[in-house]
Amino acid sequence: QQQVKQSPQSLIVQKGGISIINCAYENTAFDYFPWYQQFPGKGPALLIAIRPDVSEKKEGRFTISFNKSAKQFSLHIMDSQPGDSATYFCAASLTGNQFYFGTGTSLTVIP
Amino acid sequence: DGGITQSPKYLFRKEGQNVTLSCEQNLNHDAMYWYRQDPGQGLRLIYYSQIVNDFQKGDIAEGYSVSREKKESFPLTVTSAQKNPTAFYLCASTLGGGVLTFGAGSRLTVL
Repeated sequence: QQQVKQSPQSLIVQKGGISIINCAYENTAFDYFPWYQQFPGKGPALLIAIRPDVSEKKEGRFTISFNKSAKQFSLHIMDSQPGDSATYFCAASLTGNQFYFGTGTSLTVIP
Repeated sequence: DGGITQSPKYLFRKEGQNVTLSCEQNLNHDAMYWYRQDPGQGLRLIYYSQIVNDFQKGDIAEGYSVSREKKESFPLTVTSAQKNPTAFYLCASTLGGGVLTFGAGSRLTVL
């Protein structure tokens, strides 16, 4: 059973546009929700993360929106750039050392 | 600089051979993980270890083995029992707190 569901599987956005990736979870015990960015041939790297008691977190062009009642969270990339083209994974953590990943979204930003 | 070192970056295996992927971290993290990544399938957990000399199976442990003799090291052996081993393998670690640090990955190809 997929603990974290991610959509869309792939996304194409024009340069300067907004990229939105959505995730949903079932287990209300999850206590941390990180997003990872992965470039081809590299390991994923932490991009931004949020705790469930916060509804929004912004770091530069990247924003996480968190809806606890709906058990959903999303990543918004404002002013998307070609350098943002990568695969993005949402994740949920339990007790700090158990991790559940979404299936990933391949983002392509067209110049 | 602290981080996770995976080696080799590329590895080729003949059918029937066992191969070992190395993972070393100098982050003083207690927990270490091995994930397998296939296109379109996200990250699947193979094995994880919370402390030295102890490890647990993940979702797809069949055909793999690990050891954790030192805090810094968590090698993964892909045995001949793994019928479809061609994949990208990622090692990760955490101090807790809900964030994983990943290595750069090892790509295994079966000839």
